[in-house]
Amino acid sequence: DTEVTQTPKHLVMGMTNKKSLKCEQHMGHRAMYWYKQKAKKPPELMFVYSYEKLSINESVPSRFSPECPNSSLLNLHLHALQPEDSALYLCASSFEDSSGNTIYFGEGSWLTVV
Amino acid sequence: GQNIDQPTEMTATEGAIVQINCTYQTSGFNGLFWYQQHAGEAPTFLSYNVLDGLEEKGRFSSFLSRSKGYSYLLLKELQMKDSASYLCAVRAVTGGGNKLTFGTGTQLKVEL
Repeated sequence: DTEVTQTPKHLVMGMTNKKSLKCEQHMGHRAMYWYKQKAKKPPELMFVYSYEKLSINESVPSRFSPECPNSSLLNLHLHALQPEDSALYLCASSFEDSSGNTIYFGEGSWLTVV
Repeated sequence: GQNIDQPTEMTATEGAIVQINCTYQTSGFNGLFWYQQHAGEAPTFLSYNVLDGLEEKGRFSSFLSRSKGYSYLLLKELQMKDSASYLCAVRAVTGGGNKLTFGTGTQLKVEL
């Protein structure tokens, strides 16, 4: 089982809304990632969590707030987003954030900001 | 930083073999991944190389030369369903941890 589950699959939100994207894996992985992908572009790294601690923040605006409540869950809290933040948000996980560990992606959450 | 190059588009015939190349420049190299991504879907893991040489997995093989900063993905017995974007991604050690950076992807079109 190499499943990373993301909810919701689709989200439409206004610029004043607060919403959250959720990601879950039960593979015992201790590294989890958030990526953002715009149309016809490759995924871009946003955050890396390793053993439930934030290890990389790629200078992401504070209107995106990640949270790792436990080793199986990763959330991305969204507040005061802009229309240009509309994209596919991908969660991924690996056993550890180190060499030799395959990174598996979830199906993604399609976000539209209106 | 990292620089990853791969061709933008390729076209091949059903049943044929196609090789998609990827060159990279990075410090702290810690592995290279190939992912397949169909339009509107998430990337699907295909292969991973961290040591030089060829990794074979069914119809897909991937090769790595770390000294040349070069990898290729080889797809055999092409099928129409192989039409997709193929993403080369390089993992490198940074100050905070390991970072996976994607190339721009190669859009493969398989024709009859």
